This record gives sequence, structure tokens and C-alpha cells, in this order.
Amino acid sequence: EPEVTQTPSHQVTQMGQEVILRCVPISNHLYFYWYRQILGQKVEFLVSFYNNEISEKSEIFDDQFSVERPDGSNFTLKIRSTKLEDSAMYFCASKSSYNSPLHFGNGTRLTVT
Amino acid sequence: TQLLEQSPQFLSIQEGENLTVYCNSSSVFSSLQWYRQEPGEGPVLLVTVVTGGEVKKLKRLTFQFGDARKDSSLHITAAQPGDTGLYLCAGAPNAGGTSYGKLTFGQGTILTVHP
Repeated sequence: EPEVTQTPSHQVTQMGQEVILRCVPISNHLYFYWYRQILGQKVEFLVSFYNNEISEKSEIFDDQFSVERPDGSNFTLKIRSTKLEDSAMYFCASKSSYNSPLHFGNGTRLTVT
Repeated sequence: TQLLEQSPQFLSIQEGENLTVYCNSSSVFSSLQWYRQEPGEGPVLLVTVVTGGEVKKLKRLTFQFGDARKDSSLHITAAQPGDTGLYLCAGAPNAGGTSYGKLTFGQGTILTVHP
């Protein structure tokens, strides 16, 4: 069964550094999302992406965050200057159409030291 | 801001017992989804309920959406050790367009079923 693939599974970075989290959504999907889960807290919506542009973003998704779909298969989340509080599990998700269910990847655990 | 309160946060039961997990909100959702998440993996969709009052069954799991589409429950009959895991409810806002993918998650229920 097709699945959403995320790399790396674990990323350790120093405060102030830039990180890029990578996702390969399911190939025929059109809607793409990033969620995050800080340890012990709820899964939180970050951003949705459709038709090559951001369709919605949360308050968390400030100027330090950006998303890109550079080549029609990858979907990336960039954090320009990481902070300690960015440490979390980041999940990529995709779906094929408006009413179809979301498929989540296995996440990237980001640790900012 | 829509909030989903999920309870209980922890549930530890013996094999064969029944259990119910609740998801409540003061907001109306266009749909509500239940996920199961294993350690080190992403949430996996179990079911989506869309219509107020809807009941869906998945083997020993019964999902219900409240009449007013503000709450939902997951009932497991005769729980087995294989049911052990983290269960999450997530609501889609009562709006159209791409907001459908913007899910609001509950805190999760960690279920442990002892043999």
C-alpha cells in the first residue's frame, strides 16, 4: 500500500541553525500538510498546501517556517533559525481529494540543542 | 479556536473488559476522525464519522458521532491485548474548502489491555 515517507527519522540540530524536513507524499495526492507534536502534547496543525501554494496556516507557522514542493514529488518544511521550543515530532500528511482521509507519515523527531 | 477534550487520558483494563473513550467539544465539526498511533509511527485512520448521530462499527470497535456533531465516542467490546495503543480523535472544522484537512486533535487516550 502506498505510504507517506519522511526523512530523516531523527534530526538533531543546534539552536539558530536551519533545518529542512523532507516528505514524499503519496503520488496521486493533491493536498499536503505538516503537523507537529511536542512531547506530551496534542498533535497541532501547522500548514496546508494545495495547488502549489499555502492554503491555510496556524499561528505557530510564523516567518521562520516555510514549505516547498520543489519537484512535484517532495514536500519540504524549512525552519530558518531553530529554537529550543521547535523540538517536536513533525508529521507530514497528504490526501487525494477534498473528502478523502489524511494519510500520515511516520514523522521526523527534531531535537534542538 | 476549536478545542477537543478527550477522556480518559489513560485507561488500564483487563482482557475481555469493555471500555469507552470520549471526545467532547463546544464547537461543531463537519466530521470527526479516530486514529490509532503506535510508538514511532504516525497516526493511522480508523474511521471518519460525518453525519450527526452516525454509528460506525469496525469489528469490536463502535464509533458514534453526537447528534449535534460536537462530540464522539469510541467503544471497544471485549478488549484484547492487541488493542493496546494510543487512540486519538480529531475534528475537521465546520467550513468548506481546504480547511477540511486542518484537523484539531484531542490529547489522546493511552489504552493498556492486560492479558
